[in-house]
Amino acid sequence: KAGVTQTPRYLIKTRGQQVTLSCSPISGHRSVSWYQQTPGQGLQFLFEYFSETQRNKGNFPGRFSGRQFSNSRSEMNVSTLELGDSALYLCASSSTTGGFEKLFFGSGTQLSVL
Amino acid sequence: DAKTTQPPSMDCAEGRAANLPCNHSTISGNEYVYWYRQIHSQGPQYIIHGLKNNETNEMASLIITEDRKSSTLILPHATLRDTAVYYCIVRANNDYKLSFGAGTTVTVRA
Repeated sequence: KAGVTQTPRYLIKTRGQQVTLSCSPISGHRSVSWYQQTPGQGLQFLFEYFSETQRNKGNFPGRFSGRQFSNSRSEMNVSTLELGDSALYLCASSSTTGGFEKLFFGSGTQLSVL
Repeated sequence: DAKTTQPPSMDCAEGRAANLPCNHSTISGNEYVYWYRQIHSQGPQYIIHGLKNNETNEMASLIITEDRKSSTLILPHATLRDTAVYYCIVRANNDYKLSFGAGTTVTVRA
């Protein structure tokens, strides 16, 4: 069974640009959640989608947005990039709803903003 | 707000057991203790979780104190591939708002 796939693996952007990251969950998983990981802040929750609906949202500005498609694939978008957005962006998928046990993480997209 | 406290680093000899402590003195009754690890350049990997009973799976054992204020992850026979950052977190079921702190950097030496 294929794992969680994130593309691209590495990305370099400049301030002010926007970026779209993609996540393909494990087949059959309907929940996808996104996280930002930085050396200073650790791993922080961005948002979670289930059946194309955003169910949970973290404390990030509106520049961070996401969506989920009918095949459960998800994208996140960051507009007007800032230097502080440089981070490893991770997505995770889960198979159950309400009371899940395991999150399966992808390898992440390393975003560098110059 | 840090819900768990872990030592920043520890070394372990290959083939020996590695005991990773975690303090979570403010844990709520409905919160589970989860352990994840992250190997360099990879996403976090689930290891084990528990509520109040000790748990064991193919990867590790989890010992939770009776008052649930602390726990220990045991890697029974550490290998070089177990070198990673280990995160202890507490979360209620259906709580997606995970946040990992700095974790414990475990280095397994030959």
